[in-house]
Amino acid sequence: DAKTTQPPSMDCAEGRAANLPCNHSTISGNEYVYWYRQIHSQGPQYIIHGLKNNETNEMASLIITEDRKSSTLILPHATLRDTAVYYCIVSPQGGGGADGLTFGKGTHLIIQP
Amino acid sequence: AAGVIQSPRHLIKEKRETATLKCYPIPRHDTVYWYQQGPGQDPQFLISFYEKMQSDKGSIPDRFSAQQFSDYHSELNMSSLELGDSALYFCASSPTGSSSYNEQFFGPGTRLTVL
Repeated sequence: DAKTTQPPSMDCAEGRAANLPCNHSTISGNEYVYWYRQIHSQGPQYIIHGLKNNETNEMASLIITEDRKSSTLILPHATLRDTAVYYCIVSPQGGGGADGLTFGKGTHLIIQP
Repeated sequence: AAGVIQSPRHLIKEKRETATLKCYPIPRHDTVYWYQQGPGQDPQFLISFYEKMQSDKGSIPDRFSAQQFSDYHSELNMSSLELGDSALYFCASSPTGSSSYNEQFFGPGTRLTVL
């Protein structure tokens, strides 16, 4: 699986948009970009995923650059409960497999009141 | 909505003992994954099962084994426990392995402490 690079930590004010970058310059054509988060010692939680188009769901938006070498997760209105470690993961398309996720170092996002 | 159930939630063992962790996936999920997260570490993938067959393998020690049963629950068996096995063990499940993307639903974890 392609390697990802994320800043180790970020701060964001409550109510503002949190923009979390991720570099995945070695991503290959059949690999998706996934974002998960882990709130202290809880099980990781799926947020969103994408292949090459921008995606939005009730939790977040995912912006993927045209060359697919980087992406940004956007939490539009961060709350204190969004404080967590956010993981950007590149993984092949599911299709018949049960591929394990390779968690990197992640970004510790701290939402400030 | 039903979630992944893991038992026990906490387990204390002595070195060289054995431990069995259980995972009950979300109903109608046929794929199960196991992860290990050491203190201050990121989750590490151990092994996965799809339709009771081992599917993917990560950094699972030879002292560990796992299986998935006919009701899709899974058990992780750990023998000759070492101090370094102290960690949070997460189980995750997902719908059919033929789904087009890899969204995994994680359980609350089992905290194993080896003394």
